[in-house]
Amino acid sequence: QVQLVESGGGSVKPGGSLRLSCAASGFSFSDYYMSWIRQAPGKGLEWISCIERSGSIMLYADSVKGRFTISRDNAKKSLYLQMNTLRDEDTAVYYCARPMHTTSWYNDFQHWGQGTLVTVSS
Amino acid sequence: DIVMTQSPLSLPVTPGEPASISCRSSQSLLHGNGNIHLDWYLQKPGQSPQLLIYMVSNRASGVPDRFSGSGSGTDFTLQISRVEAEDVGVYYCMQFLQTPPTFGQGTKVEIK
Repeated sequence: QVQLVESGGGSVKPGGSLRLSCAASGFSFSDYYMSWIRQAPGKGLEWISCIERSGSIMLYADSVKGRFTISRDNAKKSLYLQMNTLRDEDTAVYYCARPMHTTSWYNDFQHWGQGTLVTVSS
Repeated sequence: DIVMTQSPLSLPVTPGEPASISCRSSQSLLHGNGNIHLDWYLQKPGQSPQLLIYMVSNRASGVPDRFSGSGSGTDFTLQISRVEAEDVGVYYCMQFLQTPPTFGQGTKVEIK
């Protein structure tokens, strides 16, 4: 069955960097757009980025544009999020998510990982 | 960005009774292709979100038929015909007409 497993979270100081990974299995990874969505502690959901199937088109929320970079390796069935210049407000659980349909860019997120916690604090 | 506003933010419910959550968007979610770009998600306590409804009214696989979605333009509703204990959690609407897709603040459903 479809599985998404995030890793790479942890504690980092403001201004620092982290790289998150999402290992996919149980489906043809290269057929789907993939997204990162985050949730600050006790808060709601915020979509932050998605990447087209081949990795040639990436979209970002303004809150992370210029600091975060989404990428993928279809051969390794993996999604990544390079996070630079981290701020306190980036503290959140980060989820990778896959849509239901192969034609969906950033909607009908049928599959979610368990999330990985990123804590930015001095 | 399109702003999504849910009400109520907290909803105490009685098992077996119906429940309804409202979601309003700051602009129409009608796409030029005639589709309305709105999904509903449920995040149960301690879990990742799960897709309930896509494109306003289509139940995702495995979602019980007591859940239904409706609406048009800027006003949308998620209805639960008979609430069960397992339905507790936070419900979110999300628009995807424009980038970035944006979520409502969430409606916390709890058993009375």
